[in-house]
Amino acid sequence: GAGVSQSPRYKVAKRGQDVALRCDPISGHVSLFWYQQALGQGPEFLTYFQNEAQLDKSGLPSDRFFAERPEGSVSTLKIQRTQQEDSAVYLCASSLAGGADGYTFGSGTRLTVV
Amino acid sequence: GENVEQHPSTLSVQEGDSAVIKCTYSDSASNYFPWYKQELGKRPQLIIDIRSNVGEKKDQRIAVTLNKTAKHFSLHITETQPEDSAVYFCAALGRALTFGSGTRLQVQP
Repeated sequence: GAGVSQSPRYKVAKRGQDVALRCDPISGHVSLFWYQQALGQGPEFLTYFQNEAQLDKSGLPSDRFFAERPEGSVSTLKIQRTQQEDSAVYLCASSLAGGADGYTFGSGTRLTVV
Repeated sequence: GENVEQHPSTLSVQEGDSAVIKCTYSDSASNYFPWYKQELGKRPQLIIDIRSNVGEKKDQRIAVTLNKTAKHFSLHITETQPEDSAVYFCAALGRALTFGSGTRLQVQP
């Protein structure tokens, strides 16, 4: 596609509910990144894929967070048993290779946990 | 891991003035430094970037400088316009981009 597509655009979840956020990167982009952006803050790194391999998940805040990219294209970020502190914008970005050619960000998913 | 510090957190200038935002980074292996502009409720957009083999890069009213020895880099916007008002983020690339905390730029008409 022409850009990075994320869905849903907005998600309201009750505390304790599981959510799944989808990212569809630019076709042919090898690298895919997930970031969490709290209100008024910079994006914080969550995890990084190169093709289907998850090369770095050091930024995932807890074992309630899980990401996958099984076919090396679309990625899903899953959050289990959501808590209020999970409320944030979740940004996905893709890059042709490794990030040194620049990231293209999606519009993000705004998650609100009530 | 990489740590990026950015300042100031807010910056207000008069239209036509220049604006400067500064960042420092910790990992000497980082070699790519992009700057992003984010308008309220929108995605970060890449506005300019610089690699470690150059010291300065310019694109119209925007320029970025890099001092690898001191591990700092800066964004310079000249002849600011109201549409430059946004939050600006610097970043440094290690395994993935590490972002600064952002600078809210307000250009007063």
